[in-house]
Amino acid sequence: DTGVSQDPRHKITKRGQNVTFRCDPISEHNRLYWYRQTLGQGPEFLTYFQNEAQLEKSRLLSDRFSAERPKGSFSTLEIQRTEQGDSAMYLCASSPTGTVSTDTQYFGPGTRLTVL
Amino acid sequence: AQKVTQAQTEISVVEKEDVTLDCVYETRDTTYYLFWYKQPPSGELVFLIRRNSFDEQNEISGRYSWNFQKSTSSFNFTITASQVVDSAVYFCALFRGTSYGKLTFGQGTILTVHP
Repeated sequence: DTGVSQDPRHKITKRGQNVTFRCDPISEHNRLYWYRQTLGQGPEFLTYFQNEAQLEKSRLLSDRFSAERPKGSFSTLEIQRTEQGDSAMYLCASSPTGTVSTDTQYFGPGTRLTVL
Repeated sequence: AQKVTQAQTEISVVEKEDVTLDCVYETRDTTYYLFWYKQPPSGELVFLIRRNSFDEQNEISGRYSWNFQKSTSSFNFTITASQVVDSAVYFCALFRGTSYGKLTFGQGTILTVHP
């Protein structure tokens, strides 16, 4: 079974451009999460999906950010009109169905975004 | 509000030394889960352990051991006989028993093991 995959691994863009990241969770994991990690900090929660439903969003997720999981499998995170403050590592995680006690989140390698 | 504090920003040891990484958490929930993750230079967070709030039994896995004490709200991680491959950033995280989404992470401890 392969792990969580993310694409691209690195993205350099100019301020004001739109970017989109993709996350493919571990197969059969129906929960998918997005986090953002800036240098020297721990990951911060952005949003969470159960199947295709977006159930929780952080206040960090401004209206320039949108996440989707249209068929309950892969997810995309789009940032519109990027700003230099958006430069960070964007991490995706997935967790299996079941009780909370089995809900361990497994992380992908992340997408490092640099906004010039 | 939930909070995780890892007071040690950086630790440097020589190979074969034992090292303990501290984690203190704050929560009002009675049901919660604590995690440790390892982030090597490659960047991917690697799951190490999950412990629920009702299980204070300490755990040992090879050179790794964890000490959970609810009385002091601490969940410390010890690496015995450290190795260069243990060099990484280690994160402690808290998960609310009533929330299916959010992990709250500490700021991480950078561990460097010198040969």
